[in-house]
Amino acid sequence: SQKIEQNSEALNIQEGKTATLTCNYTNYSPAYLQWYRQDPGRGPVFLLLIRENEKEKRKERLKVTFDTTLKQSLFHITASQPADSATYLCAASRGGYNKLIFGAGTRLAVHP
Amino acid sequence: DGGITQSPKYLFRKEGQNVTLSCEQNLNHDAMYWYRQDPGQGLRLIYYSQIVNDFQKGDIAEGYSVSREKKESFPLTVTSAQKNPTAFYLCASSSGQGQETQYFGPGTRLLVL
Repeated sequence: SQKIEQNSEALNIQEGKTATLTCNYTNYSPAYLQWYRQDPGRGPVFLLLIRENEKEKRKERLKVTFDTTLKQSLFHITASQPADSATYLCAASRGGYNKLIFGAGTRLAVHP
Repeated sequence: DGGITQSPKYLFRKEGQNVTLSCEQNLNHDAMYWYRQDPGQGLRLIYYSQIVNDFQKGDIAEGYSVSREKKESFPLTVTSAQKNPTAFYLCASSSGQGQETQYFGPGTRLLVL
């Protein structure tokens, strides 16, 4: 079955360092991947979208890569801040009217 | 302000009772979705609607029902047939041109008494 897998263990890093989160997919060939941020008890908020023909996408301190050979997307937050602490969700779709498939998310904790 | 709203924030259900969760959007989006979120699991799609008066089952539709009589509204009813309804329910919308960026509401937490 189609799977989107994210590291279930929380990622703890020091303020100012770069956080790197991983999203792997199996039995699936997504046309694009999305990353969302979710704070406790709140709805997810869209951050970035990257298409299969794009290697890398940047937005301010955020960077996403998409490696179709490794079947993986990496999500980077540079110069991390305690305010970046949240759960980050990866989602994939084949595009068109195909549904989004979500990973379970990785919790990031940035310590001062 | 444009956005998507859900109510109530918390909802309590008694045994054998149907309850309805509200979802409204003023983003002029064609497509709307309902997801269920359980601890340690990804969002799972319950129902979705790409246009008014039309909707399709998602991956876990059993025990749920929806309607889409207006573009702005997509209420979800959790019926008594749903034996494990305790979860965080999220409504989302998108422009409908494919399923790209989705905009989520704040969620409703459903608890069973």
